[in-house]
Amino acid sequence: QVQLVESGGGLVKPGGSLRLSCVASGFTFSNYYMSWMRQAPGKGLELVSYISNSSPYTNYAGSVKGRFTISRDNAKNSLYLQMNSLRAEDTAVYYCARVSGTIGPDNWFDPWGQGTLVTVSS
Amino acid sequence: QSVLTQPPSLSGAPGQRVTISCTGSSSNIGSGYDVHWYRQLPGTAPKLLISANTNRPSGVPDRFSGSKSGTSASLAITGLQAEDEADYYCQSYDSGLHFWVFGGGTKLTVL
Repeated sequence: QVQLVESGGGLVKPGGSLRLSCVASGFTFSNYYMSWMRQAPGKGLELVSYISNSSPYTNYAGSVKGRFTISRDNAKNSLYLQMNSLRAEDTAVYYCARVSGTIGPDNWFDPWGQGTLVTVSS
Repeated sequence: QSVLTQPPSLSGAPGQRVTISCTGSSSNIGSGYDVHWYRQLPGTAPKLLISANTNRPSGVPDRFSGSKSGTSASLAITGLQAEDEADYYCQSYDSGLHFWVFGGGTKLTVL
């Protein structure tokens, strides 16, 4: 079945870096745009970034632009999020999620991985 | 402050019908963009509940239905059950932000 499994979360000091990974299975990874979402403790959902399926098109939320970099390796069915200059407000559970079908404004996100917790604290 | 506005909490008794609203603006729902709904059970990842305003993915009971009108959308749940207790989120696209956006979420409590 379609599955996304994230890893790489942990405790990091403010200003530090962390790289998240998401391994996909059960579908043709290279056919889909992919995304990273996050959810701060007790808060709602936020789209962090997304990446096109093969060409290197990426987009970021304003809150992370210039600090986070999304990338993918289609040969490894893997999605990555390099997070630099981390701040306390980046503390959240980070989810990878597949973007539905043909890309356009009416896309949805399905499925989601189980999430990985990133804590930024001194 | 979320771009899409949802009531923070809602409650209902078993068997009742509840409706969760999602209010946007002319740059998102009002521009005709689809609204999608997700359910997040406690301690788990969000899961797609309704896509493209009204479509239920395979496995989602017909107790769940979605609608959209003007700058708002709604998720209706009939025959409320204890296992419906969860957080519900709406999602659409905002042409001003050029990004997909979520509502702040609604915590549904089954009394």
